[in-house]
Amino acid sequence: QVQVVQSGAEMKKPGASVKVSCKASGYTFANNHIHWVRQAPGQGLEWMGTINPRGGSTNYARNFQGRISMTGDTSSSTIYMELSSLRTEDTAMYYCARLHGSSGGGNLDSWGQGTLVTVSS
Amino acid sequence: SYDLTQPPSVSVSPGQTASISCSGDNLGHKYVGWYQQRPGQSPVLVIFQDTLRPSGVPDRFSGSNSGHTATLTISETQVTDEADYYCQAWDSSTVIFGGGTKLTVL
Repeated sequence: QVQVVQSGAEMKKPGASVKVSCKASGYTFANNHIHWVRQAPGQGLEWMGTINPRGGSTNYARNFQGRISMTGDTSSSTIYMELSSLRTEDTAMYYCARLHGSSGGGNLDSWGQGTLVTVSS
Repeated sequence: SYDLTQPPSVSVSPGQTASISCSGDNLGHKYVGWYQQRPGQSPVLVIFQDTLRPSGVPDRFSGSNSGHTATLTISETQVTDEADYYCQAWDSSTVIFGGGTKLTVL
């Protein structure tokens, strides 16, 4: 069955960078875009961006442009999301999720377990 | 920017029907998905493409979308349905989430 497994919790200082991994299995990795969504404590879901594993093209949310990068490794079916210049407001649970359907109309049908990123001095 | 508006909270008695709305400009022209998020857990897709249920989701969950409003309906609501629910759509190439609705079953 489809599984999406993320790397473990991270604690970072303001100004640092964090890189979170997302390993997919149970389907053909290149066939589905991967999206990243974050959720600050007690808040709603915030879309961060997406990557097409086939070719590596990306589309980032305006709020994160300039300090976010998503990359993929097809040999290990793993996607990486790196967020730089961290601020305390970046403290959140970060999720990766598989897109079911096409960009522009699909939905996120398989979610990782989440990676808690804590930014504190 | 495109916004999706949900009521912050909805309450329902066990066994009754709960309806959660999601409104946006001409939302009926877009496909809407709905996610259930129980406390401490990852979101789970319960409705996609307005009305379709992923395998494993009970048929008590249904969706509709017309005009400016999409609706998630949960019939015969159970205590286990208590969770936060988020609607989701696309605006051009951007994913948009509603602010979420806390469903209380009491």
